[in-house]
Amino acid sequence: RKEVEQDPGPFNVPEGATVAFNCTYSNSASQSFFWYRQDCRKEPKLLMSVYSSGNEDGRFTAQLNRASQYISLLIRDSKLSDSATYLCVVSGTASKLTFGTGTRLQVTL
Amino acid sequence: NAGVTQTPKFRILKIGQSMTLQCTQDMNHNYMYWYRQDPGMGLKLIYYSVGAGITDKGEVPNGYNVSRSTTEDFPLRLELAAPSQTSVYFCASSYSIGRGNQPQHFGDGTRLSIL
Repeated sequence: RKEVEQDPGPFNVPEGATVAFNCTYSNSASQSFFWYRQDCRKEPKLLMSVYSSGNEDGRFTAQLNRASQYISLLIRDSKLSDSATYLCVVSGTASKLTFGTGTRLQVTL
Repeated sequence: NAGVTQTPKFRILKIGQSMTLQCTQDMNHNYMYWYRQDPGMGLKLIYYSVGAGITDKGEVPNGYNVSRSTTEDFPLRLELAAPSQTSVYFCASSYSIGRGNQPQHFGDGTRLSIL
């Protein structure tokens, strides 16, 4: 089983739609969780951290389910500019993060 | 605020040549990382460092070397370039203390082609 698993997509959604991505992780001892965004041929950029109680940042909501070992990202009112690859990131050892291979989102007119 | 700076941004090497990819950060982060990302693939950790003078292998260290003589700098050395090392290389840094991890901040990458 991979340490972090994501559906590669692509998810094709119209502007204004709501879309959700899930990610599962294998290390039950993981303490830190993040969502990153990566545009084509660019560096990954932190989108948001994921907290145990769930958290929201504008149109983005992240949830953590420790019992089932998955995290989710919900994007409301999708914009064309949301088109990117979304990386699920989970802490491994104390010094490393494990990056998923990403879920590609394409928002269309 | 520069953050993580990588040089060069692009490079073409011939098989067997060597080069050093530079990475420097001005955020006083103790942890630094080198990743490679092949087209359409995820990030693979090459080497990492938890502080000056300390380095450790990641998932794909073969063919690479690193050093960490200062907190700011973490160069990646390719000794004998091979076509399989054609990739985009990202340097990242983070500040971590105790349990839990802080998010990593990335440089904008070095695109390396070996011909």
